Amino acid sequence: GAGVSQSPSNKVTEKGKDVELRCDPISGHTALYWYRQSLGQGLEFLIYFQGNSAPDKSGLPSDRFSAERTGGSVSTLTIQRTQQEDSAVYLCASSLVSGTGAGQPQHFGDGTRLSIL
Amino acid sequence: GIQVEQSPPDLILQEGANSTLRCNFSDSVNNLQWFHQNPWGQLINLFYIPSGTKQNGRLSATTVATERYSLLYISSSQTTDSGVYFCAFAITGTASKLTFGTGTRLQVTL
Repeated sequence: GAGVSQSPSNKVTEKGKDVELRCDPISGHTALYWYRQSLGQGLEFLIYFQGNSAPDKSGLPSDRFSAERTGGSVSTLTIQRTQQEDSAVYLCASSLVSGTGAGQPQHFGDGTRLSIL
Repeated sequence: GIQVEQSPPDLILQEGANSTLRCNFSDSVNNLQWFHQNPWGQLINLFYIPSGTKQNGRLSATTVATERYSLLYISSSQTTDSGVYFCAFAITGTASKLTFGTGTRLQVTL
């Protein structure tokens, strides 16, 4: 597609439920990133994919968070047993080839606004 | 870890005014981007500028990598420029995850 697509755009769920967030990157972009922005805060990195592999998961806040990417394209971020502190906007970005020493601009989707009741 | 500082944290401008936003970073960076987050939360790419100067309409940006800072210039500001401006960069020698500054919140008034 023309840009990074995320779904759903909004998600409201009860504490304790599992949620899945989806990201469809720009076609041909091999690198994919997940970030989180809590209310009034900056953006924090969660996880990075190069192809289907995740060489950097250092930003995942707990073992309730996991992500996968299949076919080098679509990625899903799963949050199990959601807590109120998980409420945030989850943003996905993609870029062309990435790696040590290589810089490419990242392009962001519109995000999924997650609210945990 | 790397330190990043954006200034000013808040800025109020009258429509038509010019402004300069600054981003200081404490380590060598692999790339640098400026983003505008509009009031609807969308994060819009403004510039990818690891070094040098670029211009796009009323906006321009300059990065002096050797001195570890970047500047974003907004000329003839408009109300649609309101929002939060973030600089973000990747640390040289690591995977390209972006580290974001704390942002400059800009309000342009009539």
